[in-house]
Amino acid sequence: DTEVTQTPKHLVMGMTNKKSLKCEQHMGHRAMYWYKQKAKKPPELMFVYSYEKLSINESVPSRFSPECPNSSLLNLHLHALQPEDSALYLCASSQVGDSPLHFGNGTRLTVT
Amino acid sequence: AQSVTQLDSQVPVFEEAPVELRCNYSSSVSVYLFWYVQYPNQGLQLLLKYLSGSTLVESINGFEAEFNKSQTSFHLRKPSVHISDTAEYFCAVSPNTGGFKTIFGAGTRLFVKA
Repeated sequence: DTEVTQTPKHLVMGMTNKKSLKCEQHMGHRAMYWYKQKAKKPPELMFVYSYEKLSINESVPSRFSPECPNSSLLNLHLHALQPEDSALYLCASSQVGDSPLHFGNGTRLTVT
Repeated sequence: AQSVTQLDSQVPVFEEAPVELRCNYSSSVSVYLFWYVQYPNQGLQLLLKYLSGSTLVESINGFEAEFNKSQTSFHLRKPSVHISDTAEYFCAVSPNTGGFKTIFGAGTRLFVKA
């Protein structure tokens, strides 16, 4: 069982839809991450929150909007996505300054 | 800046045979080193890590990796693989000065055949 929980597991959305991905962890980690993973590729970092503040944005298009409501929750709001945004979206957490990452099982997103 | 090279994109091996997955890295600063495993339709799981101390690190399921600073390598080995070890394996580094950027290698697909 993973200690980082992501919902939903699968999501199909049209290019005009608005949807959100959710991530939750209860390990007391104060750093939380969003990664994007295309098939047969390593994860690519999108955003990092540290102590609920956005610390890193890897030049991600504005159609992806992260939010960290509290130290346990991380959301990724999606709007006007493109078919090339179809991928596995992984949430991860870690201790700040101690970098082993704990990943959720991801949300498989398909944009039609 | 750091980079990670996994020398083999795919490694087919028969069950109960030994296996080595190779990883080399480049960095201008000292780094932490990791191996992550990804089973189908799952996220990545930490397999083992080198932070400091003994250069040989072991996982609970029989994998081991050795940090070689002179060769800037962190190869993953297992003396006898099982069908259940079939997965994607990612080598990764992060600077030991802190920060949040873990650099992943391209991955090696280990395929264990009966």
